[in-house]
Amino acid sequence: GAGVSQTPSNKVTEKGKYVELRCDPISGHTALYWYRQSLGQGPEFLIYFQGTGAADDSGLPNDRFFAVRPEGSVSTLKIQRTERGDSAVYLCASSLTGGFYTEAFFGQGTRLTVV
Amino acid sequence: AQTVTQSQPEMSVQEAETVTLSCTYDTSESDYYLFWYKQPPSRQMILVIRQEAYKQQNATENRFSVNFQKAAKSFSLKISDSQLGDAAMYFCAYRSEDGANSKLTFGKGITLSVRP
Repeated sequence: GAGVSQTPSNKVTEKGKYVELRCDPISGHTALYWYRQSLGQGPEFLIYFQGTGAADDSGLPNDRFFAVRPEGSVSTLKIQRTERGDSAVYLCASSLTGGFYTEAFFGQGTRLTVV
Repeated sequence: AQTVTQSQPEMSVQEAETVTLSCTYDTSESDYYLFWYKQPPSRQMILVIRQEAYKQQNATENRFSVNFQKAAKSFSLKISDSQLGDAAMYFCAYRSEDGANSKLTFGKGITLSVRP
């Protein structure tokens, strides 16, 4: 596609439920990143994929969070047993490679609200 | 670990005037990238300008320019001839030179309003 696409745009879920957030990167981009942006804060890094593998998952806050990218394109961020503190905007970005000089392009994010 | 600090939560500028947004950072690395991103209400982060640390010359992109002071670890954004469409949140961000770690570290952001 022309840009990074994230679905759904908004998601409301009940505490304790499981949610999946989807990111469709720019075609041909091998690097994919997930960030979480809490209200009034800057985005915080969650995980970085290079191709199908997670090259850096140091930002995942706990084992309730998991992300996959099985075919090296679309990625899904999965959150189990959601808590109210998980409410945030989840941003996805992709870049042509993961290198120092490449530009990251962002999607419009998924706003997750846990009630 | 690298940190990025934006100490001004809000700024306001008159249309057609100039405004400067401040950013400081902390790192022990010698080469890195610094960025300014714009985030309108649509939530999509848009790259405004970037600067590689080893380059002495300040980056410019049309009405946007930076004042990069490496020794002071300061990276401010100047917006000239401000337009109503410039109103948004602006984030300063840092990227390490470490090839295995391409993540961005963001500041808390600043809300810029433009008065007509």
